[in-house]
Amino acid sequence: IAGITQAPTSQILAAGRRMTLRCTQDMRHNAMYWYRQDLGLGLRLIHYSNTAGTTGKGEVPDGYSVSRANTDDFPLTLASAVPSQTSVYFCASSAGTSGGDEQFFGPGTRLTVL
Amino acid sequence: AQSVTQPDIHITVSEGASLELRCNYSYGATPYLFWYVQSPGQGLQLLLKYFSGDTLVQGIKGFEAEFKRSQSSFNLRKPSVHWSDAAEYFCAVGTMKTSYDKVIFGPGTSLSVIP
Repeated sequence: IAGITQAPTSQILAAGRRMTLRCTQDMRHNAMYWYRQDLGLGLRLIHYSNTAGTTGKGEVPDGYSVSRANTDDFPLTLASAVPSQTSVYFCASSAGTSGGDEQFFGPGTRLTVL
Repeated sequence: AQSVTQPDIHITVSEGASLELRCNYSYGATPYLFWYVQSPGQGLQLLLKYFSGDTLVQGIKGFEAEFKRSQSSFNLRKPSVHWSDAAEYFCAVGTMKTSYDKVIFGPGTSLSVIP
């Protein structure tokens, strides 16, 4: 049982570089999400997708982009990384698109931007 | 605006002692309420969830939470803590009828368990 996989596990990146964080789920869930986790701030939603082919902006979308070409994959791209994007990034999914649906989380990607 | 507060940043309890983690929310209607747990180096896992019905909700790993509308609270409890319960705990509110129906997470409470 894989659930949600994320890659890479961790990455150190020079400022200004482009980076794509990968996320794949095998549960055929409709909705997928990207969060960043920062100490004292909890999880903040970056982008979401309610179904393949659609995406939406969350609470902190600036500097990030996403795509949802199919049900399983939801990559997050940093076009030009900045140090403030140093964080732990979690991908999640849910079967439905309601705020009441349980979300299933991947193990996270720890990103350091220097 | 919807928000979730967890007043305690860090709590330390002895193994076998009881535990209560506090959560307060701000939302205009009856929300979905969640508690998630994050073990070190792991993603979040759902402990329990409330939307309606009995205000005392049972979850996994022996946890329970009580919804108190008058106090806008959803505190998490466990009668006897085990060393394996050391983790980060997040309270969350599931919103509805906004631009998008999503979950807002609190800042988290870190739990340490001493033998």
